[in-house]
Amino acid sequence: KNEVEQSPQNLTAQEGEFITINCSYSVGISALHWLQQHPGGGIVSLFMLSSGKKKHGRLIATINIQEKHSSLHITASHPRDSAVYICAVRSASGSRLTFGEGTQLTVNP
Amino acid sequence: NAGVTQTPKFQVLKTGQSMTLQCAQDMNHEYMSWYRQDPGMGLRLIHYSVGAGITDQGEVPNGYNVSRSTTEDFPLRLLSAAPSQTSVYFCASSSRPFEGNSPLHFGNGTRLTVT
Repeated sequence: KNEVEQSPQNLTAQEGEFITINCSYSVGISALHWLQQHPGGGIVSLFMLSSGKKKHGRLIATINIQEKHSSLHITASHPRDSAVYICAVRSASGSRLTFGEGTQLTVNP
Repeated sequence: NAGVTQTPKFQVLKTGQSMTLQCAQDMNHEYMSWYRQDPGMGLRLIHYSVGAGITDQGEVPNGYNVSRSTTEDFPLRLLSAAPSQTSVYFCASSSRPFEGNSPLHFGNGTRLTVT
């Protein structure tokens, strides 16, 4: 079993829909990152969480440390949100990152 | 502010050749790291560094060497390329790694093919 599991692996939505991507992990962490990888391959950091909830525009990220679970929500989805979303956890020591396999999101107009 | 700069963007090698992937950051970040990304798998850590003169192995270090002589640069060396090293390589940096409170900055990636 991978240390970081994302679901779903693939997600197709219609423009305007509310989207949720989940990430579960099995190790102690110091922080959790949500990343976005565009079709061109570049990777952008969206959020870094160690507790609670963060919001940036239409994106919301939450984390439950006790349950070892995080969610990324996209409200009013748009075709430009189409990308691979990656969850990564930073080890308790801070020195190592472990990545999920990513969720391919496609938003159709 | 250039952020994290990786070169080259594309490279084709023959089995047994050596090469160095360059990574430089201008944000004075302590932490730098190299990952490879293969189809159907998440990014995997190759080597990382928490400061100049300090490096350590990640999840898949075999076949790769690194050094960190300056804060800015963290090159990745392939001593004798193998087809199994065909992958997309990303360099990333962040500050304050042990506090867990530092966002990641990625380079644009290097697509390496070994024939």
